[in-house]
Amino acid sequence: KAGVTQTPRYLIKTRGQQVTLSCSPISGHRSVSWYQQTPGQGLQFLFEYFSETQRNKGNFPGRFSGRQFSNSRSEMNVSTLELGDSALYLCASENGGGETQYFGPGTRLLVL
Amino acid sequence: TQLLEQSPQFLSIQEGENLTVYCNSSSVFSSLQWYRQEPGEGPVLLVTVVTGGEVKKLKRLTFQFGDARKDSSLHITAAQTGDTGLYLCAGARRGSQGNLIFGKGTKLSVKP
Repeated sequence: KAGVTQTPRYLIKTRGQQVTLSCSPISGHRSVSWYQQTPGQGLQFLFEYFSETQRNKGNFPGRFSGRQFSNSRSEMNVSTLELGDSALYLCASENGGGETQYFGPGTRLLVL
Repeated sequence: TQLLEQSPQFLSIQEGENLTVYCNSSSVFSSLQWYRQEPGEGPVLLVTVVTGGEVKKLKRLTFQFGDARKDSSLHITAAQTGDTGLYLCAGARRGSQGNLIFGKGTKLSVKP
């Protein structure tokens, strides 16, 4: 089975712009979670989608949003980028019933 | 407040030595995962432990879940340079779908 894929792998944006990141889960997995990883804070949960519905949300501002499509692929969007949004954004998938998540390689976002 | 405390934060040892990494919390988790992460890549799942008191062995790695399901440890026997990386523990809580709580990680360096 192919693993979780994320595109793009690297992205450079400037403050005030917006960005969309994409995640394709493992085939058959219906749950996709998104995390932000920074050196200072570690991995922090953004949100989780299951069957196109957001089931859970972390403590991030409304500039961070996401969605999931009928094929379980997911996108996350960050609007009005700030310097502090520079991070590795990771998505993880699982089958929706268990608790073990499998991670993609991440998208490295640099905001200048 | 960090829900999952990992120790030590950094560990530098010689090849052949043994080491133990700890993951502690005051919260109860329904399961706990251990991941290893290389720089710029996503975390790779090593093991999931579910039952209190459970011990799982993966070649030279031994994982233990505390009886009360609040803590876990990872023991590596005869470390190799290929074990170098960031080790992360992550706990899942019932009713919090898709939201893993991560420790800040233990950065392990194994020198030849």
